[in-house]
Amino acid sequence: KQEVTQIPAALSVPEGENLVLNCSFTDSAIYNLQWFRQDPGKGLTSLLLIQSSQREQTSGRLNASLDKSSGRSTLYIAASQPGDSATYLCAVGLGDAGNMLTFGGGTRLMVKP
Amino acid sequence: EADIYQTPRYLVIGTGKKITLECSQTMGHDKMYWYQQDPGMELHLIHYSYGVNSTEKGDLSSESTVSRIRTEHFPLTLESARPSHTSQYLCASSFGNTIYFGEGSWLTVV
Repeated sequence: KQEVTQIPAALSVPEGENLVLNCSFTDSAIYNLQWFRQDPGKGLTSLLLIQSSQREQTSGRLNASLDKSSGRSTLYIAASQPGDSATYLCAVGLGDAGNMLTFGGGTRLMVKP
Repeated sequence: EADIYQTPRYLVIGTGKKITLECSQTMGHDKMYWYQQDPGMELHLIHYSYGVNSTEKGDLSSESTVSRIRTEHFPLTLESARPSHTSQYLCASSFGNTIYFGEGSWLTVV
């Protein structure tokens, strides 16, 4: 059974810092991996999607990498801002074109002004 | 911005009541999903549908039921709510490998 773990569970940093969120998964037979953002009381917003054949994806200040063989992914956030404060979820996609998602527990990020 | 809507957003009901959580999408997606997130815990897939009259159970066993009579509509029903059903329920739809989530329904059973 696929298990997804995210470290750290919570993180508090001052504004401007570069930071790395970690995600690990137990079964490397994945279709894709996604990073989502969840704000309090809101749904999930997809940030980055990495197909299993890809190594990384970038969007603005966000960069996500994937090492399928070792079962790891990282989300790098450059020059963090208070507006980045949210919970970040890693999810691995299995069947159904990768839309059957197994989620990690998330990292709650607080960026202080 | 994805056009997927969930109602109610927040609901407090008594034990034993029947509740239906509504989910609608206007994108014409065939594939729809329900995820459950207990407070402080991971999201888990509880139901999915590949199209009209298609429903399947997900990874996490749930006492809820779903139906898919119309493409745009994927309601979730609890026949007799219990405090253990207190959770956030997130609906999603997908096209290709892009998945869109609704804002969630927060259910509290007292």
